[in-house]
Amino acid sequence: DQQVKQNSPSLSVQEGRISILNCDYTNSMFDYFLWYKKYPAEGPTFLISISSIKDKNEDGRFTVFLNKSAKHLSLHIVPSQPGDSAVYFCAASALNSGNTPLVFGKGTRLSVIA
Amino acid sequence: NAGVTQTPKFRVLKTGQSMTLLCAQDMNHEYMYWYRQDPGMGLRLIHYSVGEGTTAKGEVPDGYNVSRLKKQNFLLGLESAAPSQTSVYFCASSQVNEQFFGPGTRLTVL
Repeated sequence: DQQVKQNSPSLSVQEGRISILNCDYTNSMFDYFLWYKKYPAEGPTFLISISSIKDKNEDGRFTVFLNKSAKHLSLHIVPSQPGDSAVYFCAASALNSGNTPLVFGKGTRLSVIA
Repeated sequence: NAGVTQTPKFRVLKTGQSMTLLCAQDMNHEYMYWYRQDPGMGLRLIHYSVGEGTTAKGEVPDGYNVSRLKKQNFLLGLESAAPSQTSVYFCASSQVNEQFFGPGTRLTVL
């Protein structure tokens, strides 16, 4: 049973446009969400996070939106750049239940076309 | 600050051989994790540790053992390697929320 789902395995976007990556979760105990970015032959790197007490968090070109009632979050990248081409993983944790390990989605491969 | 390092970077094993993957972190983090990444499967947690001397099973623990004798090191062992264990292995560490990952170990079992 997948608790964190990224239903789009891949996404292609033109340079300068907005990239929207989606993530759904099923466990209502999740209260902290993170996005990681992974380039080939490297480990994932932390990108941005959001707590369930917020519905939006912004860091430069990256914004994460959280819709708790829909159990859905999305990562917006504006404007998209060729260097953003990577695999993006959504992850969730139930911090209020103790520091439980992150649960990761399967990832979405973003290709930004120049 | 090296962050999280993994040794070795690549390894080829024959079925039935054993090996140990070493993870080291220099951030004084309490928590450490071992994941495997397979095509289309994302990152799956093998084992993790919430502190020196402790270990716990993750989502896919079978065929692996771990030890955390020192706070900075987390070892992943394969006692009898199988082709199904061909994968890229990532170690991570964290203090609270954000996990920091190593560069990965690519393991092939023939």
